[in-house]
Amino acid sequence: GAVVSQHPSRVICKSGTSVKIECRSLDFQATTMFWYRQFPKQSLMLMATSNEGSKATYEQGVEKDKFLINHASLTLSTLTVTSAHPEDSSFYICSAKGGSHNEQFFGPGTRLTVL
Amino acid sequence: GDSVTQMEGPVTLSEEAFLTINCTYTATGYPSLFWYVQYPGEGLQLLLKATKADDKGSNKGFEATYRKETTSFHLEKGSVQVSDSAVYFCALSDRGGNQFYFGTGTSLTVIP
Repeated sequence: GAVVSQHPSRVICKSGTSVKIECRSLDFQATTMFWYRQFPKQSLMLMATSNEGSKATYEQGVEKDKFLINHASLTLSTLTVTSAHPEDSSFYICSAKGGSHNEQFFGPGTRLTVL
Repeated sequence: GDSVTQMEGPVTLSEEAFLTINCTYTATGYPSLFWYVQYPGEGLQLLLKATKADDKGSNKGFEATYRKETTSFHLEKGSVQVSDSAVYFCALSDRGGNQFYFGTGTSLTVIP
């Protein structure tokens, strides 16, 4: 099956700094990538959808200036959490679809802790 | 809109017990249905899926049948193991795979 990776798997940062999370499709070209956020003991909430080469579409309530998404190539999307605060601490999961795949494949997630 | 309603947990079972986690859905059109498993500290792993009515998805002893008449996709396993302890998410997506809707997750703990 299709494989999606994320890097880093865990990151701890100080409040006020920016953190970049990478999402890569390893064996297919991802025309669309999705970013989700998961709070402890809760389900996944879609943050934004990005198509390669175009601006991301953000879900209602998600600050686009805080969560910068770049989908610069068919295998890579990045999520940058700018000026991170403790309330941004969460598990961030990406997914990707494209090529012959008509479903989303999920990455392993990145746990962000903001001190 | 589309949605998934999943049995609330937590669920605690003894090893070798029978497992059922209920999942019902509301959808327009003909969605695909999924069960994902999330082990502690890890991301989502696809457990099984079904793309049309009456399809049965199965993997690692788990099964779920796409029931259009009852709009359900209940997860079952005949004999659970300690290693099955995890959180299980029911989900549906539209045919294009662009919209995913997740249930709230059911935490399963299997005790020896």
